[in-house]
Amino acid sequence: DGGITQSPKYLFRKEGQNVTLSCEQNLNHDAMYWYRQDPGQGLRLIYYSQIVNDFQKGDIAEGYSVSREKKESFPLTVTSAQKNPTAFYLCASSMRPSYGYTFGSGTRLTVV
Amino acid sequence: GESVGLHLPTLSVQEGDNSIINCAYSNSASDYFIWYKQESGKGPQFIIDIRSNMDKRQGQRVTVLLNKTVKHLSLQIAATQPGDSAVYFCAESTTSGTYKYIFGTGTRLKVLA
Repeated sequence: DGGITQSPKYLFRKEGQNVTLSCEQNLNHDAMYWYRQDPGQGLRLIYYSQIVNDFQKGDIAEGYSVSREKKESFPLTVTSAQKNPTAFYLCASSMRPSYGYTFGSGTRLTVV
Repeated sequence: GESVGLHLPTLSVQEGDNSIINCAYSNSASDYFIWYKQESGKGPQFIIDIRSNMDKRQGQRVTVLLNKTVKHLSLQIAATQPGDSAVYFCAESTTSGTYKYIFGTGTRLKVLA
């Protein structure tokens, strides 16, 4: 079955550490996205990539970095520069921009 | 479970009744709209979409209505079931050029037995 897989489901980070969230899709989708979800707020776009080896900053990119070396993979690194990283992170993909997303099941990141 | 939606508006509906969830969108240039369902601790699931050249679209037990004049979107769920309990939110985008989706904050639907 085609889908989009995020791992891990839960992740704990110590202050000052970088952590990387994995996102893999086998839908052959060109575009991939990272969103952050906080209670009482709509999803906020961190980074997106419309094609391999290319990505753009979203609305809240500070403190995050991404890479898109393969069509299937779009990992997100939460760096120590992100001052409030505790949140639910969602990865999504779409066949092309302007089409609906398929979302992963999310990664809950907590700073300890 | 996931703490998403701690401060969301809540709609409580009796099982078997119809539910209507509303969304006001912000950009008059938006021409594509989606409703998503998100259960606790999970990623959002696509429910139904509608393009701006339509004002109504029906799926299985769901109907989306679009009123472009007042920039309003609604999701109607017929014969609401316990499995419908979740957070529902709308998303809008423009399909021309480099797009971005704008997501609403969501409404929590509680189905009462």
